[in-house]
Amino acid sequence: SAVISQKPSRDICQRGTSLTIQCQVDSQVTMMFWYRQQPGQSLTLIATANQGSEATYESGFVIDKFPISRPNLTFSTLTVSNMSPEDSSIYLCSVEEGHSDTQYFGPGTRLTVL
Amino acid sequence: GENVEQHPSTLSVQEGDSAVIKCTYSDSASNYFPWYKQELGKGPQLIIDIRSNVGEKKDQRIAVTLNKTAKHFSLHITETQPEDSAVYFCAAISYSSASKIIFGSGTRLSIRP
Repeated sequence: SAVISQKPSRDICQRGTSLTIQCQVDSQVTMMFWYRQQPGQSLTLIATANQGSEATYESGFVIDKFPISRPNLTFSTLTVSNMSPEDSSIYLCSVEEGHSDTQYFGPGTRLTVL
Repeated sequence: GENVEQHPSTLSVQEGDSAVIKCTYSDSASNYFPWYKQELGKGPQLIIDIRSNVGEKKDQRIAVTLNKTAKHFSLHITETQPEDSAVYFCAAISYSSASKIIFGSGTRLSIRP
């Protein structure tokens, strides 16, 4: 399976600021996704990162708050904008290889907003 | 849309015993069911998956069973070891929701020495 890395692995940020999270894959993949995992909770899909076009957001998530880029088939970024303590979560990227339905996850970025 | 329910939320078993985690799903069109293991401070790791044309799949100490009629699927871990302690998530692909993976709420498994 693809090897996925995320930067930063963790961060502590002040409210009102923004943080950009990077996701790098060691091979070209068709689909990349961004998830949020609130403390002690399950995974919630934020959006599908589309290469060369705007991301597809799930209900409850908007581009102004979570802008996403995907300039090529191996890299994507998620920005958490104008942060508040409620944004404290683990943010995970995942990839789907081919059209297998199988998703593999990165190690996550642990964000704390003060 | 799809809904996946997972039970129990916590499970403690003696080392060497078996552990069973159960999930139900609502969308009868779902046909792919992965299981993920998440250790503390790490991302979810795919440990086994099953597609709807198969009733059971095994990989060493791990097995998954699927009952499409009842819309149930279960994870079975035999001869549990301390390294099996983690949070386990079941999931289902919902074709009624544009092939989005829907996750269960998770089971925290603890192995007692």
